[in-house]
Amino acid sequence: AQSVTQPDIHITVSEGASLELRCNYSYGATPYLFWYVQSPGQGLQLLLKYFSGDTLVQGIKGFEAEFKRSQSSFNLRKPSVHWSDAAEYFCAVGAKGTYKYIFGTGTRLKVLA
Amino acid sequence: GAGVSQSPSNKVTEKGKDVELRCDPISGHTALYWYRQSLGQGLEFLIYFQGNSAPDKSGLPSDRFSAERTGGSVSTLTIQRTQQEDSAVYLCASSSGTSGGPANEQFFGPGTRLTVL
Repeated sequence: AQSVTQPDIHITVSEGASLELRCNYSYGATPYLFWYVQSPGQGLQLLLKYFSGDTLVQGIKGFEAEFKRSQSSFNLRKPSVHWSDAAEYFCAVGAKGTYKYIFGTGTRLKVLA
Repeated sequence: GAGVSQSPSNKVTEKGKDVELRCDPISGHTALYWYRQSLGQGLEFLIYFQGNSAPDKSGLPSDRFSAERTGGSVSTLTIQRTQQEDSAVYLCASSSGTSGGPANEQFFGPGTRLTVL
């Protein structure tokens, strides 16, 4: 069955520290992978996406993610977190020929001053 | 408008009442999605509209849920005889492109928070 797992429900980091949010997927076809961020009271905003090619993708706000097919993972990283990064982060997977995304349950990030 | 808009932003209703949630997609976007986001859950796909094609209603949880899209633009999600388990944030998204494939980024509205007492 197709699924997306975000194992960490909550993560707390100090401002300036590095960040890695985990995402694992189970998908039969070649996946299209996405990370979205949701700030309080806001809709989801796309941070980055992977379709093919270079497995390290750069996104907005200084985020990057690496696709590792052997590990079925697409982890999101940021070298230095800012207080404004506090939000909920969702990983999603889609596939060519389909229009549905499957979303993970989200990871809520708290940033300590 | 610059983005996807939804109204109302918050809705409190009593169990058994009907509610209507509205979504205005980005102008020119042919694809429109409705999702439900419950506490501690990911986004649950509800329904998908693409142009004038028949919608994909496969995600609607019961026959109390229905949605329309008039003129290929504005969409209304209706929940009849609301139940407490319907309490959630309802998100609308739109995307461009006739294929509706995953390569077409989905742009999300801010959502409607529905509370059923």
